[in-house]
Amino acid sequence: EIVLTQSPATLSLSPGERATLSCRASQSLRSYLAWYQQKPGQAPRLLIYDASNRAPGIPARFSGSGSGTDFTLTISSLEPEDFAVYYCQQRINWPCTFGQGTRLEIK
Amino acid sequence: EVQLVESGGGLVQPGGSLRLSCLASGFTVSNNYISWVRQAPGKGLEWVSVIYSGGSIKYGDSVKGRFTISRDNSKNTLYLQMNSLRVEDTAVYYCASGGDSPRYWGQGTLVTVSS
Repeated sequence: EIVLTQSPATLSLSPGERATLSCRASQSLRSYLAWYQQKPGQAPRLLIYDASNRAPGIPARFSGSGSGTDFTLTISSLEPEDFAVYYCQQRINWPCTFGQGTRLEIK
Repeated sequence: EVQLVESGGGLVQPGGSLRLSCLASGFTVSNNYISWVRQAPGKGLEWVSVIYSGGSIKYGDSVKGRFTISRDNSKNTLYLQMNSLRVEDTAVYYCASGGDSPRYWGQGTLVTVSS
């Protein structure tokens, strides 16, 4: 099973700042990595698929990069609604696995 | 508009059974692959099972032999039959569609396994 390690566990920032979240895989994923946002009491929301493709309706301030084992989700300028938990997820091997999450909180 | 609505969750004793349903609208379940993903309280996400459009099925190791995924094309509904339930199966269960990185998710249904 592929293990995804996200860092940091918690990120404290202010609205308007830039957020950089990392995801490292235990083996190469090529570009088969996605990012999700989850708010309390809600289902996950797909933000980025295949490392760098924004899902329909996702604002341009969200961007993804990376390949192989190292990936990054960047939020260029934080809006109040962006404070949530973010998960990365791989789909190159079954079972598809998720990282443990990064909590983005308001500083 | 794609919608997924789960139902069937509840409180069950260890060793018991439960069947979850996921009613789909806006697309046909027979032409898509749909997954069950769960989230234990306060924890991360875990893939449980997937059924592909061609009918092939996969399960996570933690549920293999105990859970069965199926679909009823006439009702456009996905099911998850859960047997021999354990305390550690307590979670919100989501159905999700749109591939291996699903775009569409239901609201989830809570399964609590406790004596």
